[in-house]
Order: sequence, then C-alpha cells, then structure tokens
Amino acid sequence: AQSVTQPDIHITVSEGASLELRCNYSYGATPYLFWYVQSPGQGLQLLLKYFSGDTLVQGIKGFEAEFKRSQSSFNLRKPSVHWSDAAEYFCAHSGNTPLVFGKGTRLSVIA
Amino acid sequence: NAGVTQTPKFRILKIGQSMTLQCTQDMNHNYMYWYRQDPGMGLKLIYYSVGAGITDKGEVPNGYNVSRSTTEDFPLRLELAAPSQTSVYFCASSYGLATGELFFGEGSRLTVL
Repeated sequence: AQSVTQPDIHITVSEGASLELRCNYSYGATPYLFWYVQSPGQGLQLLLKYFSGDTLVQGIKGFEAEFKRSQSSFNLRKPSVHWSDAAEYFCAHSGNTPLVFGKGTRLSVIA
Repeated sequence: NAGVTQTPKFRILKIGQSMTLQCTQDMNHNYMYWYRQDPGMGLKLIYYSVGAGITDKGEVPNGYNVSRSTTEDFPLRLELAAPSQTSVYFCASSYGLATGELFFGEGSRLTVL
C-alpha cells in the first residue's frame, strides 16, 4: 500500500532561519508528489507539486521542494521563514489513485 | 468564486443519531472526495467519486455513506453516529484524480457524545 512518512511531528524555527521539512514515500513507480499547508481552522492549500522533469520545483510563498528518487524523498524547503508560515504542512503522493497524505508536521515560528 | 462549500461547520451529535454533511463545488470538477482529519493522524480518505453516479470506498468507509447525483454535490451520510466518528471532515474536489490539485472546503467539525 502507498504510504507517506513525515518523520517530524513538530518543528520550531526562528523567524528568518531556513526550513526543511522531510517527506518520504513508498511507491515503486514515479509518484505524483504534493505539499499542502493548513492554517488553523482552515482547509488545505496546495504549495507545490511534482509530476516529472526538473527535480527541484518551486511553489507559492517562496517554498521549494526537491524530488530524490534514490532516497524516495520529497523535502520541502524555504530559505527564510516568516512568522506567517506557522501552520501544519502535509506531504502527499499519488500513484494514479486519490491522494495519500502524511501525518503532517506542525511548524512553529519564534521571534 | 465559492469553490468548495461545506455545511454545517460545527455539529454535536448524540450516539446513535444520524446526519448528513453537505458539500457543493462550483468548479465543474468531476472528482470529489471526503477526508477525515484526526489530531496527529493526517487526512484519511473516506469515500471519493469520479463523476455523477459513481462512488468508491477509501481507506476508512465504515459507518459512512455517500451519493453523487449531480456533478456539484457530494453529501456524506453518517448513520448511527459513534464517538469514533468525532473528527474534522473535509470535502475536496479536483479536475483530475491523481494529478490534479485538490481544492478543499473549510471543514466540518463533528463531535459525537
């Protein structure tokens, strides 16, 4: 069965610091990969997606993610975190089926 | 544009009661989904639909039913509510199944006491 692992339940970073959120997936063929963000009390919003081609993809709000097939990973990065980035982040993937989500990583941002 | 609209936003049920969560989208998407979100567990797929008249089970369908009589509407029915169904429910829609961006509603928080 497809699965997505986000090893970090909660991460705290200082405003202005860099960020990397980890995601690993299990699927033999190249999956379709996504990162979503959820602000408190809201639904999920797509940050970026990877289907094929360039393994470094750019998203909204200054986020980027890199697909590494050899590591089955799709880590999310941001060079400089803003206080408004505090939210929960979900990695998801699909192999021609409905999206399977990871358990999420909650990001806290401190001054 | 309204996008995906869910009602109600909050509801408290007693054990054994039934209710329907409503979901409507105005983007003419063929694909619609119901997920539930529990703390620390991410989102789990309950049911999904690939078009009017076609539905299929997801990972956690027990205790729920769905129907899809129109492209716009995808209601989720809870029969004989149980405390285990206390959760936040999200409806979503997309243009494609695996490659399309999901558009989410704001969620419906259900408590079963």
